[in-house]
Amino acid sequence: EAQVTQNPRYLITVTGKKLTVTCSQNMNHEYMSWYRQDPGLGLRQIYYSMNVEVTDKGDVPEGYKVSRKEKRNFPLILESPSPNQTSLYFCASSSGTGDLAFFGQGTRLTVV
Amino acid sequence: KQEVTQIPAALSVPEGENLVLNCSFTDSAIYNLQWFRQDPGKGLTSLLLIQSSQREQTSGRLNASLDKSSGRSTLYIAASQPGDSATYLCAAPNYTGANSKLTFGKGITLSVRP
Repeated sequence: EAQVTQNPRYLITVTGKKLTVTCSQNMNHEYMSWYRQDPGLGLRQIYYSMNVEVTDKGDVPEGYKVSRKEKRNFPLILESPSPNQTSLYFCASSSGTGDLAFFGQGTRLTVV
Repeated sequence: KQEVTQIPAALSVPEGENLVLNCSFTDSAIYNLQWFRQDPGKGLTSLLLIQSSQREQTSGRLNASLDKSSGRSTLYIAASQPGDSATYLCAAPNYTGANSKLTFGKGITLSVRP
């Protein structure tokens, strides 16, 4: 089954404690991206990757890092989380930019 | 810069009603537009992707149309059911250099009353 898998689904952490949210897709997609969803602001792109070792900033990259060492994986790293990063995060993949996008189930992050 | 608007923010209808969800976008230079469904606390499920060369795309009781010239897309839901209750989001590509991120509307929360 074609899918994008994120882990964990829920995470509560404290300010400053580094964390990683993993994302994996099994569709051999080249394009992957991360979004955050906040009430009243909708979904906003954090980072995207066109292919292995090719990543770039989206609209709200501050406080986040990503890496793309393998085609299937695109982890999101918060080096020093802050409460304003409390949000619902989605990973997405598609075969190319603008193609049909598949989204993961989301990771609800709370930073206290 | 692409901006996507969905109005109204919420809609409540009785079961069995046919309904139309509207989506408008500002940059008509798009190759396609996508409609998603989001259930509370859940991820996004892709419903339909309609190419700019198409005027309509159908999947079961869902029908999406795209009119680039007017900057509008509609999602038609036939014979609505309580299980259709969810938030429906449309997303248009926003081309910036090599990136084509999706710009989402804020969604329409649909409630279908039994």
